[in-house]
Order: sequence, then structure tokens, then C-alpha cells
Amino acid sequence: AQSVTQLGSHVSVSEGALVLLRCNYSSSVPPYLFWYVQYPNQGLQLLLKYTSAATLVKGINGFEAEFKKSETSFHLTKPSAHMSDAAEYFCAVSGPGGYNKLIFGAGTRLAVHP
Amino acid sequence: DADVTQTPRNRITKTGKRIMLECSQTKGHDRMYWYRQDPGLGLRLIYYSFDVKDINKGEISDGYSVSRQAQAKFSLSLESAIPNQTALYFCATSGPGTSAKSSYNEQFFGPGTRLTVL
Repeated sequence: AQSVTQLGSHVSVSEGALVLLRCNYSSSVPPYLFWYVQYPNQGLQLLLKYTSAATLVKGINGFEAEFKKSETSFHLTKPSAHMSDAAEYFCAVSGPGGYNKLIFGAGTRLAVHP
Repeated sequence: DADVTQTPRNRITKTGKRIMLECSQTKGHDRMYWYRQDPGLGLRLIYYSFDVKDINKGEISDGYSVSRQAQAKFSLSLESAIPNQTALYFCATSGPGTSAKSSYNEQFFGPGTRLTVL
């Protein structure tokens, strides 16, 4: 069975500060891991994905995440927050082999204040 | 033009009514999914379809049914709506499709349908 835990349902940062959104996973098979972003009144958009290649994954809008097998973590970071980063972020896990039923975390809402 | 479209975008209905949510895609993907989103719970899979003749239940299929009318169309029905089905519903697709960047590893989401059951 697979599961995802996102620590912190709400995170607030100042503009220009480091963004760190935490994600831990549980998987009995080598996982594929994803971060999606949801802007208000929109669907989900893929930020980045880990599919067993490089452990440090770079995504869109300056975000990156590092797969750490020993810690079963896939935390999302961005060095400097912008106001436009305010959104809800979802971590998700699936198994390999193309049978990609995604299991989502509960989400973290990021607020960016001036 | 949107690759994954959902209709309607908003729907208010009454308990006991039958309603259908529709999803269409122009990405050429063979796999389609229905999720519901509830605050604090993330997205949960209702049904998924790997091709027109393949329909599978997800983790919360009770009270829902689906129809894959064509490769590009996947509908979700609530036979008798109840208030705890009030949620945001998303359709998603995946597959090699017509884009070199598509793969089964990435799902593309529609804009969502906000359903309220009174």
C-alpha cells in the first residue's frame, strides 16, 4: 500500500524567503513521486516529478525537490518566494510500470505575504 | 484551447437527483480518471479507465458510476445525489497521446466541477 503525508496544512512565508513544503511517503514498491500545484479556481498542474532517475528534481517556476530514500521524503523547496507562488500544493505517489494510480496527500496551502 | 474540459463547471442539485458530470480531452490519451477533492483530504480516486473497454473502481466508488463513451470522453454519474457528495470533482488523463512530452507518468487535470448537493 502507498500513502503520502504532508506536514503542515498551512505554511506562511514572507516574499523572498525560502519555501519548504514537506512530504513523506510510504510505498512497498519503488515509488514515483510528484508535486502538483493548484491555483485558486483552477485544476492541478504538475510542478515536478521523480521517476527513479536523478534524486534532485527541478521543476517549473524555480521549484525543486529531493528524493531521499532513507528518510522516505520528497520535500519541495524554492529559494525565494514570490507572491504568485500562493497556492495549494499536493504531493502524490504512484507505483512504477505505468499503472499510475496517484495517491495524494492532503495538501499544503502556501501563503506569501509582503 | 483547453486539453481537458469538464462540464458543467458548477452545479447545484437536490438530494435524490441524478446528475452527470462530463469530461472530454483532446490530448489523445487512453487513460482517464475521476477524482473528488475535499478540504483537508486532498484528492481521492473515484474511478479510472485505461481504455474504452476497461473501467476500474478507485478508493471511493460507492454512490458513483462512470461511462467511457469514447477514448476522449469519460462521464461520472451520481445516481441519487446526497449532501456528502458535495465536493470539487476533477477529471484527469494520462498516456503517450500526441505530445512527445506526454507519458503515463504524468496526469493532466481538467479545471474541475464544483458540485453542491442540498
